[in-house]
Amino acid sequence: EVVLTQSPDFQSVTPKETVTITCRASQSIGRSLHWYQQKPDQSPKLLIKYASQSFSGVPSRFSGSGSGTDFTLTIHSLEPEDAATYYCHQSSSLPGLTFGGGTKVEIK
Amino acid sequence: QVQLVESGGGVVQPGRSLRLSCAASGFIFSSYGMHWVRQAPGKGLEWVALISDDGSNSYYADSVKGRFTISRDNSKNTLYLQMNSLRTEDTAVYYCAKEGTAYDLAGALDSWGQGTLVTVSS
Repeated sequence: EVVLTQSPDFQSVTPKETVTITCRASQSIGRSLHWYQQKPDQSPKLLIKYASQSFSGVPSRFSGSGSGTDFTLTIHSLEPEDAATYYCHQSSSLPGLTFGGGTKVEIK
Repeated sequence: QVQLVESGGGVVQPGRSLRLSCAASGFIFSSYGMHWVRQAPGKGLEWVALISDDGSNSYYADSVKGRFTISRDNSKNTLYLQMNSLRTEDTAVYYCAKEGTAYDLAGALDSWGQGTLVTVSS
């Protein structure tokens, strides 16, 4: 099973700052890495697919990069509505699809 | 637009069974693989199971293999999760989610339902 390790677990930031979340895979997964946003009491929403492809309707301040084992989600100029928990997810290895542990972003 | 509506959650005793349903609309259901993903209270996301667009292939997390069965009825646009021998650690919100690419077996999940809560407790 591919283990995804996200860091940090928690980040408190002020609006307009840039946030960087990393996701490290225990083995190479190519670019089969996706990012989701989950706000409290809501279901997850897809932000980025295949490491760097923005999903339709997602604000351009969200971007992704990486390949192999190291991936990054960047939120430029953070908005108050970006307060949420962010998860990475790998689809490289069936049947063991996995999610990272999540990164909670709080707005100061 | 895509809609996924889960139902069937509730409180059940350990060892008992429960069947979840997910009614899909707004897309060609029979063209997309479908997943179940769960989230224990206050915890992260855990992938549970995947079924291919035509139902011919299914995959499970080790934690549920042999106890849960994913299935679908493409004539009714409905996804199911039969959960047997339930354990307290199966307590979670269960989400159904749609594959982002038609006929893909495992990729990004581009639409999620609102979830249904399953509580396993004596």
